[in-house]
Order: sequence, then C-alpha cells, then structure tokens
Amino acid sequence: DAGVTQSPTHLIKTRGQQVTLRCSPKSGHDTVSWYQQALGQGPQFIFQYYEEEERQRGNFPDRFSGHQFPNYSSELNVNALLLGDSALYLCASSLDATGSYGYTFGSGTRLTVV
Amino acid sequence: QKEVEQNSGPLSVPEGAIASLNCTYSDRGSQSFFWYRQYSGKSPELIMFIYSNGDKEDGRFTAQLNKASQYVSLLIRDSQPSDSATYLCAVTYGNKLVFGAGTILRVKS
Repeated sequence: DAGVTQSPTHLIKTRGQQVTLRCSPKSGHDTVSWYQQALGQGPQFIFQYYEEEERQRGNFPDRFSGHQFPNYSSELNVNALLLGDSALYLCASSLDATGSYGYTFGSGTRLTVV
Repeated sequence: QKEVEQNSGPLSVPEGAIASLNCTYSDRGSQSFFWYRQYSGKSPELIMFIYSNGDKEDGRFTAQLNKASQYVSLLIRDSQPSDSATYLCAVTYGNKLVFGAGTILRVKS
C-alpha cells in the first residue's frame, strides 16, 4: 500500500522563477493538504484540497496556488519565488477533510531558492 | 491567531527513563490532538492521536489530554536512543492542522 508520494525530492530554483510540486495521496485518501516547513520550525499550513476545490487556506500570499485532480493527486505552484520560500514542502493526505484520523505525510520536497 | 506552544528543548534523558513532552494550545474549540515524530531531514510520522480527556496508551507511548487546561502531553517510557528526534504537537482548527515548533528529545545511552 503506497503512502503519500511527492516529487521531486529536491529542487533548486532562482529567485523570481516559478515552481510546481506534485503529490499523490495515500490509497483511500481523498483530501490533500500542503505545508511549508522552514528550518527549525513546525510545518505551516498552506491550503487544503477536497473534491478538487480549495477548502481552507493559511496565511500565505496568492503566489501560492494549487490544484487537485479527479484522481485526488495535487499540485502546489509557487510564482515569483523569493529567497524566503526556501523550505521543506510537505504534502499530507487524510481520509476526510476534518483529518480526524490523522494526516499521513509524504517525504517532502526540499526547495532551495538562490 | 491559533497557537500551539511547545518548549523547544533540547530535552535530554538517559536511556530507559521516562521522557515527558508538553504542549499547550489556544483554542478551546479544538477537537483533535496529535503527536508526530520527525527525524532530522525526514517528514513527520504520526505517533498518537487523542480526542477525549484523559490518557491514551499505545506501547511505550501515552498521550494525555486536559481540555480544561488546554494542555496535551506525551510520555515515552523506557526511552531508547532511537527515540531521539523532534516531537511535534499538532491541533486541529477547523480543517487545518496547526503545529507547534517542536521539542527536540535526546536520549543518551
């Protein structure tokens, strides 16, 4: 049973560029949430997708956008990259939007902006 | 601002001892509480979740919840060097999971 898979594992981008990160949820999960984790901090909620719609959003600018596909996989897009966007980006999937049974995290994408 | 507070540590305990990790949260409406373990450079791994006041035990781990005091804790019995990691407390606010900054635990052999 595959868990949450994320790609790519590592990415280096130049300031001002755009990036797309991808996530496939755990089998049976239909809700995907994205988190940003800066070094030494806990993960910060970016947004959640359920039924192909953004259901809730954290305090992130519009440069951060996403999409969920009919097969429940998801993409996170970040435009006009800033040095401060360098972080570990985590995708988490859950059985439902409330996450009552917990969230399963992927291994993350390490984004470095130079 | 929904907040989850944890002592950053590091918390150092000898092998075989009990490690006690604590967390407070700001929103009395929170319903679900989670403890995640994160090894350096890895993603968070769910250890325990708890919804009701009281204790919940799973092997060497016990989660404790006190909603009146807005306090949740994790006890690790018979601590092992492999337990050395960052422990993240997380609380649901609506449909989002809010994390504390984590407590670094070091188990010395």
